[in-house]
Amino acid sequence: NAGVTQTPKFRILKIGQSMTLQCTQDMNHNYMYWYRQDPGMGLKLIYYSVGAGITDKGEVPNGYNVSRSTTEDFPLRLELAAPSQTSVYFCASSPRGGGLFFGEGSRLTVL
Amino acid sequence: AQTVTQSQPEMSVQEAETVTLSCTYDTSENNYYLFWYKQPPSRQMILVIRQEAYKQQNATENRFSVNFQKAAKSFSLKISDSQLGDTAMYFCAFMKLGNTPLVFGKGTRLSVIA
Repeated sequence: NAGVTQTPKFRILKIGQSMTLQCTQDMNHNYMYWYRQDPGMGLKLIYYSVGAGITDKGEVPNGYNVSRSTTEDFPLRLELAAPSQTSVYFCASSPRGGGLFFGEGSRLTVL
Repeated sequence: AQTVTQSQPEMSVQEAETVTLSCTYDTSENNYYLFWYKQPPSRQMILVIRQEAYKQQNATENRFSVNFQKAAKSFSLKISDSQLGDTAMYFCAFMKLGNTPLVFGKGTRLSVIA
């Protein structure tokens, strides 16, 4: 039972590099989310999607892009990485009216 | 916009004792959902308990229960018979109807002491 799978789990980037965090879920959930968690803080919403082809900005979208071409996949792209994007990134999905199911997180460091 | 406040950054409890974590929220909505999530050192976010605002009965899950006071906009988590494995960050979260994204509090770090 895979649930929500995120890759990679760890990554170090240089300033200005780009990368994509992959997220896939096998629970047929329509709703998917990307959050970031800075040290000692709660989770802040970056982007979310209510279904394939539909995405919306969250609280902290600057420097990120997403796409949702299928129900299963919701990749998060970082363009021109900056030290302020050093964080732990969580992907999550949810059924209608339910709580979120989270991936294991991806720790990103930008040097 | 909704906000969630957890006023206790850190707490500790002796093993086998009971501890209550506080959470308050601000909303103009009448129907919504509230959640408690646990984040152990492994970093995984684990759903502990869920409460629908239209239900008067407090949710319970084994040793975990909530005290939901809708008028006071309070949603505290009680952990009974605390175990070492309960050591974690605990996040309170709010969600409006329609699967709008969860809004999280800043968390309470709970340490269970042997």
